Parts: sequence; C-alpha cells; structure tokens
Amino acid sequence: DQQVKQNSPSLSVQEGRISILNCDYTNSMFDYFLWYKKYPAEGPTFLISISSIKDKNEDGRFTVFLNKSAKHLSLHIVPSQPGDSAVYFCAASTLYNFNKFYFGSGTKLNVKP
Amino acid sequence: EAGVTQFPSHSVIEKGQTVTLRCDPISGHDNLYWYRRVMGKEIKFLLHFVKESKQDESGMPNNRFLAERTGGTYSTLKVQPAELEDSGVYFCASSQAPGWGTEAFFGQGTRLTVV
Repeated sequence: DQQVKQNSPSLSVQEGRISILNCDYTNSMFDYFLWYKKYPAEGPTFLISISSIKDKNEDGRFTVFLNKSAKHLSLHIVPSQPGDSAVYFCAASTLYNFNKFYFGSGTKLNVKP
Repeated sequence: EAGVTQFPSHSVIEKGQTVTLRCDPISGHDNLYWYRRVMGKEIKFLLHFVKESKQDESGMPNNRFLAERTGGTYSTLKVQPAELEDSGVYFCASSQAPGWGTEAFFGQGTRLTVV
C-alpha cells in the first residue's frame, strides 16, 4: 500500500502563473519530506525539503508547505517557467531510516509558454 | 565531480534470462540505494547498503533479486531469472552519512524490459 500519494498525475499551467503540486501521506512517523524533479531519461534531482518541525520552507521560486494535521504537503512554484516542465515526485522518510524514501507516483507538470 | 552512473541505460531481455545492472556511486559516498519505478507508478525502495553491508533489504521483491556491493564501491543488482513484472526503471542513489539535510543523488536509471 502506498504511504505517499500524489493524486494528480498531470498539471498544466501558463508561464508566469503559480503551479501548485499536492501530496498526501498516511504514515505519521514521517519526519522529513522532499520534492524531487525528474526530466525524461534522467534520474530524479533534489529540489527542496522540509522537516516535520516546520510548516514552510522557501528556496527562490519554490516553496514547500507542510500541514501535519492533514498529512498534506504542497509545492508552490512562482512564477512558473517552461523549464519547470518535468515530473515532480513527493517523498518522505523517517528519522530512524533517513534515506529510505517513500515516493509518490509523480505529477507531470507542463508549463505552457 | 562525477555523479551516480548506471549501466546499461537500457536492457531488453527475454523472460527467464539473467540481467545484471551496475551502479557507480559518487566517490566517498558510503550509502548506496536501489529503487525501482514500475509502469509510471511510484518509485519504490529496494535496498540500502552502507559500504559493503546490506543495511536494509526490506524492499527486495523476492529471491530472484540479488544485490552486491563488493569492497564498498560499485554495486550490482542481478535479476535471475527475469520475469515480465520485473520490467521498469531501476534507479541507484548514493549519499554521505544519512542525516538531516543530506541529499541523495540519483543516477539516470536503467530501463529494463522483460519480453
């Protein structure tokens, strides 16, 4: 059973607008959450992370929000650029097994020029 | 600095054959992980090495899969005999000591197709 879920397989956004990618999880033991970005024929690359003691982490155009009570996190990209078009994976891990990531199934973002 | 490299990038084999995937982690990274993505689904953890020791192999699907990491450097993942459901993209990742904010770097993956 999947402990991290991304219910939107795809998202299309106009350049310059905000992209919001969502992720839900079921395991309350997760302490660390990450977003990875993947281009075709490449491996996932780390984008941004957040620990469970925070509710927001910002890095340039990328902001991750964590709502622990709802077991929900989201990635906001503002403004969206065509180069952001990729598959975005949400991932989570626990403190006792830090790099054993539980991934979602990914959301394919298409940013239209 | 070289990233995580995986060989081959693609492999097509017949059911019942054997395939060996290789991963070269970033130099100095003691932690090496294997993951698999099947048919556009989630990326699933297979196992974790710390140097040459298997730290966690809870994600290995069955005993047709054998992972090794000789000398704590590169790793191989052998599938023998391969079945149709083994098709997917196999990713390797490496990191320094796991810890808060430590990033895992992924290779480009090996796309395995079993026909």
